[in-house]
Amino acid sequence: DAKTTQPTSMDCAEGRAANLPCNHSTISGNEYVYWYRQIHSQGPQYIIHGLKNNETNEMASLIITEDRKSSTLILPHATLRDTAVYYCIVRVAGEGAQKLVFGQGTRLTINP
Amino acid sequence: EPEVTQTPSHQVTQMGQEVILRCVPISNHLYFYWYRQILGQKVEFLVSFYNNEISEKSEIFDDQFSVERPDGSNFTLKIRSTKLEDSAMYFCANARVEGYTFGSGTRLTVV
Repeated sequence: DAKTTQPTSMDCAEGRAANLPCNHSTISGNEYVYWYRQIHSQGPQYIIHGLKNNETNEMASLIITEDRKSSTLILPHATLRDTAVYYCIVRVAGEGAQKLVFGQGTRLTINP
Repeated sequence: EPEVTQTPSHQVTQMGQEVILRCVPISNHLYFYWYRQILGQKVEFLVSFYNNEISEKSEIFDDQFSVERPDGSNFTLKIRSTKLEDSAMYFCANARVEGYTFGSGTRLTVV
């Protein structure tokens, strides 16, 4: 079973920041928080990952609480193309490490 | 950015027939995976493959399933005798330090 809890669905207005929460209260010290998204029936797409520090890349920002029991993915200026299911997954980092265990994710709808 | 390529994009087969789903992974990546997603359900892990052998498989990956790297580049998933419940999207993936790269998937429809 997935080790994370996410809201089933969220809505956000186009151009606004989308903030997607995730709870991972049982995360281990060597586990990272990964975010993926799946647009319609395409293959999941990697977004970002982090251990304990906040991270930012060209797609999003990841804010991890100090106790590491929860995190928030931020899409700073959401567009219609960001409509997708977003998955928060915890796993040990490294090439070829653990398989990904997907939960149901959060279905994010960006409204015009 | 390097891509994982899957063929065919859509395959329809009769129940009981064998199917082979193909994947061209990113070169110089050593870990390969197959996942599937039944319509409306979660993405599920099937099998991981490293150094030309299976490193982990799920309960779903029974004797009807097999994986190969027949020519050192392509990576295939074979289902020997398809069942209706095998209808799903099948995704191939490569792992790297930053995360996984997934292919666009093969939609398998068993009729």
